[in-house]
Amino acid sequence: GQQLNQSPQSMFIQEGEDVSMNCTSSSIFNTWLWYKQDPGEGPVLLIALYKAGELTSNGRLTAQFGITRKDSFLNISASIPSDVGIYFCAGPYGNKLVFGAGTILRVKS
Amino acid sequence: EAQVTQNPRYLITVTGKKLTVTCSQNMNHEYMSWYRQDPGLGLRQIYYSMNVEVTDKGDVPEGYKVSRKEKRNFPLILESPSPNQTSLYFCASSFLNIQYFGAGTRLSVL
Repeated sequence: GQQLNQSPQSMFIQEGEDVSMNCTSSSIFNTWLWYKQDPGEGPVLLIALYKAGELTSNGRLTAQFGITRKDSFLNISASIPSDVGIYFCAGPYGNKLVFGAGTILRVKS
Repeated sequence: EAQVTQNPRYLITVTGKKLTVTCSQNMNHEYMSWYRQDPGLGLRQIYYSMNVEVTDKGDVPEGYKVSRKEKRNFPLILESPSPNQTSLYFCASSFLNIQYFGAGTRLSVL
């Protein structure tokens, strides 16, 4: 099936640092979604992107819908300990929703 | 409160013993789905349902069954569980491609 390639696989950063992660696909997507999964819980939607080139913020989080429609980026500014978790990109593909493998974020305080 | 509820949260079973994981949503969503999460593989869709009595295979349907007799419920059935089905399972309901996930069921098949 369709795959989303997400990188990096994991990050271990110092509190206060900025974080960048991205997601690429071989196919065009019309919607990009970014989810966060806290330990022991289900993923929760952070940001939804619907238009190529769109840049959307949610607090310290900023996500962009790539102009080729084949990629998306998520940035977290001034990381804090509660940012730890797994971040997933996702997009609808036909009637299905496909997910990247996730970026594990660990924050050193 | 809008939510997706799945039960049980934890389950240990033995190979071949049929089990059902229940999922219920109170948001009147038409679309529901099941995922399994394995380290390094992200979330992979097992089955999805676009409405009552309408179900279809996702990317990893082998060894699983589902049913959608009512809009709010979407149980996942493992007729004969095997150790390779040990995983973390999530049910989700969806509106306009936005998925709302349950808290997960951690299944161990011995």
